Amino acid sequence: NAGVIQTPRHKVTGKGQEATLWCEPISGHSAVFWYRQTIVQGLEFLTYFRNQAPIDDSGMPKERFSAQMPNQSHSTLKIQSTQPQDSAVYLCASSLDGLGGREQYFGPGTRLTVL
Amino acid sequence: GDSVTQTEGPVTVSESESLIINCTYSATSIAYPNLFWYVRYPGEGLQLLLKVITAGQKGSSRGFEATYNKETTSFHLQKASVQESDSAVYYCALGRLNQGGSAKLIFGEGTKLTVSS
Repeated sequence: NAGVIQTPRHKVTGKGQEATLWCEPISGHSAVFWYRQTIVQGLEFLTYFRNQAPIDDSGMPKERFSAQMPNQSHSTLKIQSTQPQDSAVYLCASSLDGLGGREQYFGPGTRLTVL
Repeated sequence: GDSVTQTEGPVTVSESESLIINCTYSATSIAYPNLFWYVRYPGEGLQLLLKVITAGQKGSSRGFEATYNKETTSFHLQKASVQESDSAVYYCALGRLNQGGSAKLIFGEGTKLTVSS
């Protein structure tokens, strides 16, 4: 089992450009979570899907951020018109069924740097 | 709101000494909180260390223990004798157990532990 796969591992964008981050959950897991980690804010929840349906996007910035899960094998987080404050490590996690109390398995993260 | 506060790091402990990392939580919107400790070892991803989903219960793993205390809203991480290999960043996290709500985790700020030989 390869674990949760995130690509790319590092991404550098210019201010105003678009960034798309990819996540492949563990095979058989039906839930995908996205978190963001910065020095200032720490580890904060963004959004999650269960069985490809969006369940909670309460942590997503209202503008420029969107997430999708078009099939069971991957999810994307898209940031339009990136800004320097979007620089962070974006973590994807998956769990077996997306229910409370389950272990979440984290990927290595994508480090996004916006110049 | 819901939040987690843990020992501010960094923390340095000598090998074979005891360790406690404090964690307290506030779960105003969560009827049945459950609690986790995650750890990130150098060069590795975030991984679960232990979890407890029922108040009053204790979880343990790799020599670490934590007891879910609903009265004091605490979930302190303890180890009797640390080793150099325990050097890592430790995160306390709060989730909800009830199936009708969000399964998101709310993390504390993390505590960087260095064990010196």
